[in-house]
Formats: sequence, C-alpha cells, structure tokens
Amino acid sequence: GESVGLHLPTLSVQEGDNSIINCAYSNSASDYFIWYKQESGKGPQFIIDIRSNMDKRQGQRVTVLLNKTVKHLSLQIAATQPGDSAVYFCAEPNSGGSNYKLTFGKGTLLTVNP
Amino acid sequence: NAGVTQTPKFRILKIGQSMTLQCTQDMNHNYMYWYRQDPGMGLKLIYYSVGAGITDKGEVPNGYNVSRSTTEDFPLRLELAAPSQTSVYFCASRKDRREAFFGQGTRLTVV
Repeated sequence: GESVGLHLPTLSVQEGDNSIINCAYSNSASDYFIWYKQESGKGPQFIIDIRSNMDKRQGQRVTVLLNKTVKHLSLQIAATQPGDSAVYFCAEPNSGGSNYKLTFGKGTLLTVNP
Repeated sequence: NAGVTQTPKFRILKIGQSMTLQCTQDMNHNYMYWYRQDPGMGLKLIYYSVGAGITDKGEVPNGYNVSRSTTEDFPLRLELAAPSQTSVYFCASRKDRREAFFGQGTRLTVV
C-alpha cells in the first residue's frame, strides 16, 4: 500500500548547527506534503507545507525540499535551537488517493544539545 | 479560540471496561480524525470523518468505534479495553487539505 516513511528515527545536533530531517514517500501521485512538529506531551503542530509543483519552500528558519524523482522530502532547520527539540513528522494529506485521509510517517526525534 | 478539546487528559481502565474519549472542535471543520501514538512511535490513524453522519476506518480501527452526530463532536468508543490499547490518543480536525489542528491528547492506560 501507499505509505509515508522516514529514514532516520533520531537526530542529535549541537545548538547553532543546521538540521536536516528526511522523509520518503511511495505514492508518486502525491501532490502535497506537510511537516508537523510535536513537542513532548503535546499534539503535533503545523510547520510548513509544499506542493508538488515546487522544489523548495522557505519559512522562518525552515526550508522544505522536494525531490519528486526519488520521492524524497527534507526539512532543513537553520541555526537549530533548544526549542527545536521535538519529533518531526511528514504527512501526506491525501493518503491512498483519498483527499480526506491524513496519515503520518514514523517521525524523527530531534535533540538539540546546548 | 479553544480549537480542538479532548477529555479526559488521563485515564486508567481495567481490562474489559469501556469508555468514551471525547473530542470537540469549535472551528466548524468538516474533517476530524482519531490517532493513537504508542511510546516512541508515530501516529496511527484509527478512524476519520468527513462530516456529520459519515465515518470511515483508518489504519488500526479494531477495538474502537466512532460516531459523528454533529460537526463539532467526534467521540471515540472503546468497548472492551485491552492492554494493547494503552496509548496516547489524539484527535484532530481540519477545514481542507491544509493543516490539521490537534488536541492535547488523552493518555490511556489499561491494566
């Protein structure tokens, strides 16, 4: 079946470094992706999204890159701060061809060391 | 703005007991979702709803039931609690394909 998954379950970085979190997807028809951040003890929160007609989208300190050829997404966080410590999920809002389902990848735990 | 509200925040159930996890949203969103998240794991979709009176199974529906009688409310029912249902449950809602808004979660332990 179609799925959204992640390469790395954990990532540890030093404060001030840049972080890169990866996500692979299997549905070549997917045209929209969202990244969520989940802090400890809280529900996930929206960070940034990207449509398949774009290769790159930038937000505040975050950049998402989309490579449709290899069906790969990455979330880049610049100058990582302790407050960035969280689990990051990529999500495919139209899982399995449905516009209504919303499924998530495994998630990557980002730990920022001071 | 309350957003998505889940109750209770914590609950301990004995094996075989039943309970309903409540979820309500005040954003007039049509789409609502229930997920479970086991420790160190991702979010698994249990059930979802595209509007009042319409529900559908997600990835892990067994052992759960839902109803959607109003736009605002989407309760999740556990009929015969089992230890395997120990998890954190999140409810979410969204207006369209864009961002979903999540509640703070219900931490359920079945003993």
